[in-house]
Amino acid sequence: GQSLEQPSEVTAVEGAIVQINCTYQTSGFYGLSWYQQHDGGAPTFLSYNALDGLEETGRFSSFLSRSDSYGYLLLQELQMKDSASYFCAVSGFGNYGQNFVFGPGTRLSVLP
Amino acid sequence: EAGVTQFPSHSVIEKGQTVTLRCDPISGHDNLYWYRRVMGKEIKFLLHFVKESKQDESGMPNNRFLAERTGGTYSTLKVQPAELEDSGVYFCASSQSFSAYEQYFGPGTRLTVT
Repeated sequence: GQSLEQPSEVTAVEGAIVQINCTYQTSGFYGLSWYQQHDGGAPTFLSYNALDGLEETGRFSSFLSRSDSYGYLLLQELQMKDSASYFCAVSGFGNYGQNFVFGPGTRLSVLP
Repeated sequence: EAGVTQFPSHSVIEKGQTVTLRCDPISGHDNLYWYRRVMGKEIKFLLHFVKESKQDESGMPNNRFLAERTGGTYSTLKVQPAELEDSGVYFCASSQSFSAYEQYFGPGTRLTVT
């Protein structure tokens, strides 16, 4: 099966940079995704890494190291609207074919 | 293009009653997923449809939960009889391809069992 670990909470100030780490254990691995969820809202896709390295999308970047079973989401120039929960998710291979497992989520609070 | 829609947005029922949640995926998306988030915890996978077939239902908690996707379009998730621990937000998501890592989520149905 799959299991993922993330910090439960992170706090930072506007304009700062924050890194949210994710470690995973999985039997079969296709890639690591990141989703953002605001309170009361739906999870929305942020980024995906299938290969080692850094993927950059505007203020957000995501990194993956397959050998370390580790990835992170980097948020730069933090804004108040970035306050939300962030989930990493592993696309892996389970008993029934490809599956998709979310981590426990990291609640990011951005302070003025 | 319309997004994933879910109905109802909220449902409050008593323990022992039945509730049916509905999800309309994005048109053309063969893959449909149900998830549940309880008390702000992790988003837990329930099941995955490919068209009308259940690809993986390993996350369904017990036989009080029944999901269907007749005709491969919309899906329903029925809880019968509901228990207190079934309370949470039920999300539906869809994706175009089987290997898609980008899933489009609906707004969720908040279920409260009293």
